[in-house]
Amino acid sequence: GQQVMQIPQYQHVQEGEDFTTYCNSSTTLSNIQWYKQRPGGHPVFLIQLVKSGEVKKQKRLTFQFGEAKKNSSLHITATQTTDVGTYFCAGRSGNTPLVFGKGTRLSVIA
Amino acid sequence: DAMVIQNPRYQVTQFGKPVTLSCSQTLNHNVMYWYQQKSSQAPKLLFHYYDKDFNNEADTPDNFQSRRPNTSFCFLDIRSPGLGDAAMYLCATSRVYSGDTQYFGPGTRLTVL
Repeated sequence: GQQVMQIPQYQHVQEGEDFTTYCNSSTTLSNIQWYKQRPGGHPVFLIQLVKSGEVKKQKRLTFQFGEAKKNSSLHITATQTTDVGTYFCAGRSGNTPLVFGKGTRLSVIA
Repeated sequence: DAMVIQNPRYQVTQFGKPVTLSCSQTLNHNVMYWYQQKSSQAPKLLFHYYDKDFNNEADTPDNFQSRRPNTSFCFLDIRSPGLGDAAMYLCATSRVYSGDTQYFGPGTRLTVL
């Protein structure tokens, strides 16, 4: 079945440093979504990417969808303590439920 | 305004004692999902409903059952909880499958004594 791999599993950064998490799928994706889960909270939708090569920005966050629609990345510029949490990518192939990656837990040291 | 509501937020049960978790939504979404999330892990899909059509994931234990009596409500029944079932249970909804955001509830944290 479809698998979504995400790396790294953990990332510790100093406040102000950049952060990137990568997501790879074993199959071509229809779309990919990114979620953020704060410690003790529930996943919250950040963004969805649909088109091959698509790039979207949300303030300091940049999301990319690969040309082959099998990989994606989330890049945070100049991390802040409010960025702490676990970032999940989730992809689907066709009309099926999302498959979540294992997530990247981001810690930001002030 | 809360859109996906889960009750209770915390549930303590004894080993083998049945427990029911509930989820309700005000979004009128067609799809409702139940996920199990253990500490430091990704949400694991247990099953989902598209309207009344029930879809069970292949590796969901028989110990877990679900009911969706109407569009707004969905229940997760754990017939004989084991220690390994202690987890956060997340309910989520989406309008449809393809290209649609999932809205998660706050979760119910289940403790099994």
